[in-house]
Amino acid sequence: DAMVIQNPRYQVTQFGKPVTLSCSQTLNHNVMYWYQQKSSQAPKLLFHYYDKDFNNEADTPDNFQSRRPNTSFCFLDIRSPGLGDAAMYLCATSSRGAGETQYFGPGTRLLVL
Amino acid sequence: RKEVEQDPGPFNVPEGATVAFNCTYSNSASQSFFWYRQDCRKEPKLLMSVYSSGNEDGRFTAQLNRASQYISLLIRDSKLSDSATYLCVVKGDYGGSQGNLIFGKGTKLSVKP
Repeated sequence: DAMVIQNPRYQVTQFGKPVTLSCSQTLNHNVMYWYQQKSSQAPKLLFHYYDKDFNNEADTPDNFQSRRPNTSFCFLDIRSPGLGDAAMYLCATSSRGAGETQYFGPGTRLLVL
Repeated sequence: RKEVEQDPGPFNVPEGATVAFNCTYSNSASQSFFWYRQDCRKEPKLLMSVYSSGNEDGRFTAQLNRASQYISLLIRDSKLSDSATYLCVVKGDYGGSQGNLIFGKGTKLSVKP
């Protein structure tokens, strides 16, 4: 089945230790998004790629970076995680011009010790 | 004023009840509207789009009032499986947020036997 896959589902890291979360998709969608969702909060968009064009939200901290080496994969790098970065990180995809519904992966729950 | 506002609930209702959720949005230029459902510790999933004329999908009815910038979701004959958080979502067709989804914090529904 076509889908959005996120690995790992749970990630534990130490304060200040870089961590990378991965997302892959078999939908062949040209847009990929990364959201951060904290408990009882709305998902907050960090950035998105339209094909290879990177679009950063104005309030996304510099601590968060992203890479998209090809259509299928997108990575979220947190350079120096702080306790406040513990959250669910959701990857989503959409295909511009095809109704633009966003399809979410199952998320990676990050714990910072 | 927050861009998308919802009553956080929780709404605790018995099986078979009818329940309505409301949502307001701040930007009158918004063009697309959705309801997403999010189960505990899971990713958001599209429940239904909201059209200007109102639309129905089985037990679910969505309505949009552009003049009041107000969106609603009605669930009839509630089932236990309807227990989830319902997210009101507006697509940002303006400024730097073109194509991005703006989420409300969600309204939690708990359906009891």
